[in-house]
Amino acid sequence: KAGVTQTPRYLIKTRGQQVTLSCSPISGHRSVSWYQQTPGQGLQFLFEYFSETQRNKGNFPGRFSGRQFSNSRSEMNVSTLELGDSALYLCASAGRPELVELFFGEGSRLTVL
Amino acid sequence: AQSVTQLDSHVSVSEGTPVLLRCNYSSSYSPSLFWYVQHPNKGLQLLLKYTSAATLVKGINGFEAEFKKSETSFHLTKPSAHMSDAAEYFCVVSSLSNSGYALNFGKGTSLLVTP
Repeated sequence: KAGVTQTPRYLIKTRGQQVTLSCSPISGHRSVSWYQQTPGQGLQFLFEYFSETQRNKGNFPGRFSGRQFSNSRSEMNVSTLELGDSALYLCASAGRPELVELFFGEGSRLTVL
Repeated sequence: AQSVTQLDSHVSVSEGTPVLLRCNYSSSYSPSLFWYVQHPNKGLQLLLKYTSAATLVKGINGFEAEFKKSETSFHLTKPSAHMSDAAEYFCVVSSLSNSGYALNFGKGTSLLVTP
């Protein structure tokens, strides 16, 4: 069974640009959640989708958005990038709606110059 | 409201000695608790989980944790550390809120294992 796949693994952008990150969950999983990991703030929850509906959202500005498609694949978008958006972005999928167990991808490392 | 506090940001042990990584939590509801491990440049891997069954939970790679409601703790232990255990460890609480299930991660504990 394939794990959670995130693309791209590494990317470099400049301030003001936008970026789209992709996450393919484990087959059959309908919940996908996103997290930002930085040395200073640790792991912070961005949002969670279940069956194409955003169920929960963390405390991030509106520049951070996401969506989920009918095949459960998810994308997150960050517009008007700032230096502070440099981070490892992790995606996780869950097979049960109550998020009892998460399966994480290896992350997309974004560097903003 | 829910939160997780990992009491040590860094722990250093010698190979073959016991490991103790401490986690306290607060939650308004009956929580589910997890420990995850992250090796450098990797995603998080589930070590073990507590979901209101047995209070002593056994996980992978010889790790275990005990849920103590009276102390609001969920400390992670291992009898004998291996070099491969060196990684970042995260304690996570999941509980039900008005907007659905919410997850809170601890700040992480970096485990160093010396020869």
